[in-house]
Amino acid sequence: AQSVTQLDSQVPVFEEAPVELRCNYSSSVSVYLFWYVQYPNQGLQLLLKYLSGSTLVKGINGFEAEFNKSQTSFHLRKPSVHISDTAEYFCAVSEAGAGGYQKVTFGTGTKLQVIP
Amino acid sequence: SAVISQKPSRDICQRGTSLTIQCQVDSQVTMMFWYRQQPGQSLTLIATANQGSEATYESGFVIDKFPISRPNLTFSTLTVSNMSPEDSSIYLCSVERPAGGLHEQYFGPGTRLTVT
Repeated sequence: AQSVTQLDSQVPVFEEAPVELRCNYSSSVSVYLFWYVQYPNQGLQLLLKYLSGSTLVKGINGFEAEFNKSQTSFHLRKPSVHISDTAEYFCAVSEAGAGGYQKVTFGTGTKLQVIP
Repeated sequence: SAVISQKPSRDICQRGTSLTIQCQVDSQVTMMFWYRQQPGQSLTLIATANQGSEATYESGFVIDKFPISRPNLTFSTLTVSNMSPEDSSIYLCSVERPAGGLHEQYFGPGTRLTVT
């Protein structure tokens, strides 16, 4: 069974500072990895995804993530955060489900609080 | 991408009653998913709804408590039956669409349910 661990439940960071949100996963098969963002009172929006190929993945809003197979990690980074990045970020892993669909497992989320 | 709407966006209900949540997608999809996000927690898959067949429920969720309908390829409902305060959560509808060799999941804005 697959699982996702987000060690940091909350990350405060000053505006324009860099940030890294950590994500580790476990799975017995090849997986696809995702980061989603949830702004207050809204649904989830896909930030970026890793399917295969280059281990450095660039997403929307200046975010990027690096897939590290040996460390089973998929940490999310942004070199300079903005107030508008304040949100909750979910790491997710998917693998083929029994019904032919992608079974997605989410981490517990990391609340990013950008301080002016 | 996919445009997903949910009704109601939020509701406050009394224990013992039932609430039906509607999910509408802007175009036809095969798979629809219902997730629950309890306060301070991550998303948990309740069930997968495939048009024309019975929904498939995840461990810990049963049809009597969360009956699902899938009358056509753009619509689904989830009913939360005989509610208790523990059912207070955000309920999210999700669909899967092909994207670059992978079926990507898109999420609705969620229904915020409070049971008193």
